[in-house]
Amino acid sequence: GDSVTQMEGPVTLSEEAFLTINCTYTATGYPSLFWYVQYPGEGLQLLLKATKADDKGSNKGFEATYRKETTSFHLEKGSVQVSDSAVYFCALDTGGFKTIFGAGTRLFVKA
Amino acid sequence: GAVVSQHPSRVICKSGTSVKIECRSLDFQATTMFWYRQFPKQSLMLMATSNEGSKATYEQGVEKDKFLINHASLTLSTLTVTSAHPEDSSFYICSAPGQGKGTEAFFGQGTRLTVV
Repeated sequence: GDSVTQMEGPVTLSEEAFLTINCTYTATGYPSLFWYVQYPGEGLQLLLKATKADDKGSNKGFEATYRKETTSFHLEKGSVQVSDSAVYFCALDTGGFKTIFGAGTRLFVKA
Repeated sequence: GAVVSQHPSRVICKSGTSVKIECRSLDFQATTMFWYRQFPKQSLMLMATSNEGSKATYEQGVEKDKFLINHASLTLSTLTVTSAHPEDSSFYICSAPGQGKGTEAFFGQGTRLTVV
């Protein structure tokens, strides 16, 4: 079945460090890929998305490129801030409405 | 953009009582809503799919008699935790699916349930 695997956390970085959170997926067909972010005590909100191979999603300095050949959608940011501390979820949607989530990666950014 | 409103955001109840959580789509109609449960420091676990006008579909291992789901209209789905126990304490989140291929799901703000 369809699945999403993302790197385990927590990830602890100093402010202005480079961030990579790996995400790979298994899916039949051509899924759309998403990164959601969850701040403490809140629901999830969309961070970025890509709907086809080689698309790059970007938002708030975060980027991820849909790589069909490696079935990956790694999240990157060049310079993290304390306010980026949150849990990040990689997810896919094969068009059947149901979103499949990765386990989530908790990011701590120290000042 | 589409908004899903979930209430209450926090609730504390006594063991044995029931708690109702509401999830409303504010500016669109949702024939389907998903209910998730999230344990501390863990991912979202899909509990059930709520379908307007028909019975909810529960995931394996979820007690349908404990977690009652009602989708009374195209804008409202409710989750009732019946006879709550401390082990039901968790963060519950509803979501409405995207409105087409490649569109993102829309999430409620979540409800922190504490059973004492």
